[in-house]
Amino acid sequence: DADVTQTPRNRITKTGKRIMLECSQTKGHDRMYWYRQDPGLGLRLIYYSFDVKDINKGEISDGYSVSRQAQAKFSLSLESAIPNQTALYFCATSDLSAGGQETQYFGPGTRLLVL
Amino acid sequence: GDSVTQMEGPVTLSEEAFLTINCTYTATGYPSLFWYVQYPGEGLQLLLKATKADDKGSNKGFEATYRKETTSFHLEKGSVQVSDSAVYFCALSGDSSASKIIFGSGTRLSIRP
Repeated sequence: DADVTQTPRNRITKTGKRIMLECSQTKGHDRMYWYRQDPGLGLRLIYYSFDVKDINKGEISDGYSVSRQAQAKFSLSLESAIPNQTALYFCATSDLSAGGQETQYFGPGTRLLVL
Repeated sequence: GDSVTQMEGPVTLSEEAFLTINCTYTATGYPSLFWYVQYPGEGLQLLLKATKADDKGSNKGFEATYRKETTSFHLEKGSVQVSDSAVYFCALSGDSSASKIIFGSGTRLSIRP
């Protein structure tokens, strides 16, 4: 079974609709992240959470919100979807090593199309 | 702030060719360095990492050496295969507990049979 799962894997929605992307992990990690990937632009960080009570904005948080329901769950919401939010969305988890460095583990991605 | 710069793609090679994908970084302190790979239709996977200067990370025939003097972490493979076709991301993680991972923009690699 995958350690980091995302649902749905694909979603088509219309402008103005609210949608939620969900992420679950079985790795027991405290840290979770949401990224979006656009063609030719690499990954951009939307939101991140270092533990259940911690939520932080990334570089492109406008138009998005998140909820950390439990250590294992971190969901991303688009309150009113717009076409330029069409992208591939990735959830990731990580835990700090004893030396303070971290390695991230990614989910399979959610492909979102906003019409 | 911390940053990662990697060579732009796409890179197209023939099977069994030698591969180098350049990556340089800017960071304070002693970051860890990573290469992630994204195969078509999948999420990113850790390929290899190095946590201190002169360390060599290796996996699946790929290697990268942490060069602090040149602030580089170039990815190499001696003989590429068609199955290596993917997008490769260089990344760094700072040495503070508050640090996040910084990714490069990715390099698309295509291998011709």
